[in-house]
Amino acid sequence: NAGVTQTPKFRILKIGQSMTLQCAQDMNHNYMYWYRQDPGMGLKLIYYSVGAGITDKGEVPNGYNVSRSTTEDFPLRLELAAPSQTSVYFCASSYARGLGYTFGSGTRLTVV
Amino acid sequence: GQQLNQSPQSMFIQEGEDVSMNCTSSSIFNTWLWYKQDPGEGPVLLIALYKAGELTSNGRLTAQFGITRKDSFLNISASIPSDVGIYFCAGHANAGNMLTFGGGTRLMVKP
Repeated sequence: NAGVTQTPKFRILKIGQSMTLQCAQDMNHNYMYWYRQDPGMGLKLIYYSVGAGITDKGEVPNGYNVSRSTTEDFPLRLELAAPSQTSVYFCASSYARGLGYTFGSGTRLTVV
Repeated sequence: GQQLNQSPQSMFIQEGEDVSMNCTSSSIFNTWLWYKQDPGEGPVLLIALYKAGELTSNGRLTAQFGITRKDSFLNISASIPSDVGIYFCAGHANAGNMLTFGGGTRLMVKP
C-alpha cells in the first residue's frame, strides 16, 4: 500500500504563477485534507473533503482551490502564487471522522 | 473554534532522560491522538486514545487520556537520538469533521 502520495516533493514558483499540488490515496478513505505548515509552526487546515464531489473551507483557504472528483484524488490549486504561500503542504486522509489521519510526506513550496 | 494548548513548545534533553509533554483544551474531546513528525516528513500516528482515563503504551511511549477529557499527556522514557522530531497532539470532538491539532513540541536529544 502506498498510503497517501503527494507530488511534487519540492517546487519553486515565481510570484503570480499557478500550480497544482497532487494528492492521491489508495486506502479508500472518504475524508481528505490539505494542511500547510509554516517553518517552526503547527498545522493549519486549508480545505477538506468528506467524499467525492464535496469540499469545504478550513482555517486558511484564501488563495487556494480544491476539487474532489474521485475518492482517490484531492488536488490543491494555487492560482496566483504569493510569497506568503511559501510553506510545506501536507495532504492527509482518514476513513471516517475521529479516526487517525494518514499523512503524505509533504510538498515543500517556495514562492520567490 | 476549539484550541489545543501544547507544552512545552520545545525541549532540549540529554540522551537517556525521560520526556513529558501535554495538551490542554477548553472543551471536551472524545478522542486524543499523538503524532510524531520526523524532519522532512509528514506526521505519523503514534498512539490513539478513545476513553477518558485510558493509558496506552507503544514501546517507550506512554500516553494518557485525561479524566476531564480536556487534556492528554505523552511520556517518552529513556530518550534516544531518533526521538528527535516534532510531537503533535490532536483531539476530536463529536461535532465537526476534523481533528484539532496542537502547536507541536519540538524535541531535541543530545547524544
